[in-house]
Amino acid sequence: NAGVTQTPKFRILKIGQSMTLQCTQDMNHNYMYWYRQDPGMGLKLIYYSVGAGITDKGEVPNGYNVSRSTTEDFPLRLELAAPSQTSVYFCASSLRSLNYGYTFGSGTRLTVV
Amino acid sequence: GNSVTQMEGPVTLSEEAFLTINCTYTATGYPSLFWYVQYPGEGLQLLLKATKADDKGSNKGFEATYRKETTSFHLEKGSVQVSDSAVYFCALTDRRDSNYQLIWGAGTKLIIKP
Repeated sequence: NAGVTQTPKFRILKIGQSMTLQCTQDMNHNYMYWYRQDPGMGLKLIYYSVGAGITDKGEVPNGYNVSRSTTEDFPLRLELAAPSQTSVYFCASSLRSLNYGYTFGSGTRLTVV
Repeated sequence: GNSVTQMEGPVTLSEEAFLTINCTYTATGYPSLFWYVQYPGEGLQLLLKATKADDKGSNKGFEATYRKETTSFHLEKGSVQVSDSAVYFCALTDRRDSNYQLIWGAGTKLIIKP
């Protein structure tokens, strides 16, 4: 029972580089989310998806892109990395009924230098 | 719109002290309420939840009661341990709100000293 799996756990990028943060869930959850958490701060929603082929912007989508080609996978793409994107990124998933809450991945710590 | 307000931290207590972390909410419909915990260097874990008024959620010695009359969901523990040091997040989802998301509080850092 893996839950939500995020890779990589740590990554250092140079300014202007690109990368994809991977997120996979094996619980057949319809909804998936990407959050960022800056040091000492709360969660900010980047993008979310309510099902395969459907994505929507959250509070802070600029500089990011997502896709949802399958129920299981929800990768987050960073294009032209900037120091402001240094953060910890969390993927989460939930059933269509949010009454069960979210299941979170363990996070990806990204540093842009 | 819906919102969650938590007491600011950090909250610093000695081991075996009584803990209260305040959480109040604003919701237009019938929210379900959650507490999540984030231990240092880890992701968020669901601690407890309540789906209707007067429900009490409990887990690992923590409790919270859904109080509709005061729009509150305060987290309590009778005797904290050093291992309870973490950031605690209050959150809600409103069954009548179709925004497909949990609404999060800002988080409260708890520090327990031996």
